[in-house]
Amino acid sequence: SQQGEEDPQALSIQEGENATMNCSYKTSINNLQWYRQNSGRGLVHLILIRSNEREKHSGRLRVTLDTSKKSSSLLITASRAADTASYFCATRFTSGTYKYIFGTGTRLKVLA
Amino acid sequence: DVKVTQSSRYLVKRTGEKVFLECVQDMDHENMFWYRQDPGLGLRLIYFSYDVKMKEKGDIPEGYSVSREKKERFSLILESASTNQTSMYLCASSWPGGGRGTGELFFGEGSRLTVL
Repeated sequence: SQQGEEDPQALSIQEGENATMNCSYKTSINNLQWYRQNSGRGLVHLILIRSNEREKHSGRLRVTLDTSKKSSSLLITASRAADTASYFCATRFTSGTYKYIFGTGTRLKVLA
Repeated sequence: DVKVTQSSRYLVKRTGEKVFLECVQDMDHENMFWYRQDPGLGLRLIYFSYDVKMKEKGDIPEGYSVSREKKERFSLILESASTNQTSMYLCASSWPGGGRGTGELFFGEGSRLTVL
């Protein structure tokens, strides 16, 4: 399977702490994206990082990409209870297809 | 704002029934996708379409077919529903990326299908 994998599968932290999630993938990519999903809802795009970028910021989000290790991490700083959700990475491969492959997700719970 | 609308949030069907899941997007996106989501397995791609009447198989196309007769509409069809197709189905659309947008996916709210 080409599917990516997130680590950890579940994470529970206190409000105000930082949350770090990791994503690994298997083949060369064009870009990598992170999505958030509230329980029972659709996914919402958070941030995209291209294969020639190493780090990107958006508000309290920081994403890094290491193409040599085929991995990415998402850092959420100063977590809030409202950040409680599942987070997925999605990779778009360089093979010319428009396909995106999603990881298995990290369930984040932020305790107030 | 981009809107991706899935016709039904919850469906209950019987084994052997033909099931249609409809998805409509209002942003003139070329690409449309159907995923299924199961606990512990994340999102798995069933089919995607990069233009009207064009389609490609994803990772788990068996037991499913799709139809894209108009650019804004992408339908997922279960010809003969089975209990192992009980799942959450998510539709998404996007521009192809490159010169047109970033290629990010816009998702509908999902259709939770139960097959009895």
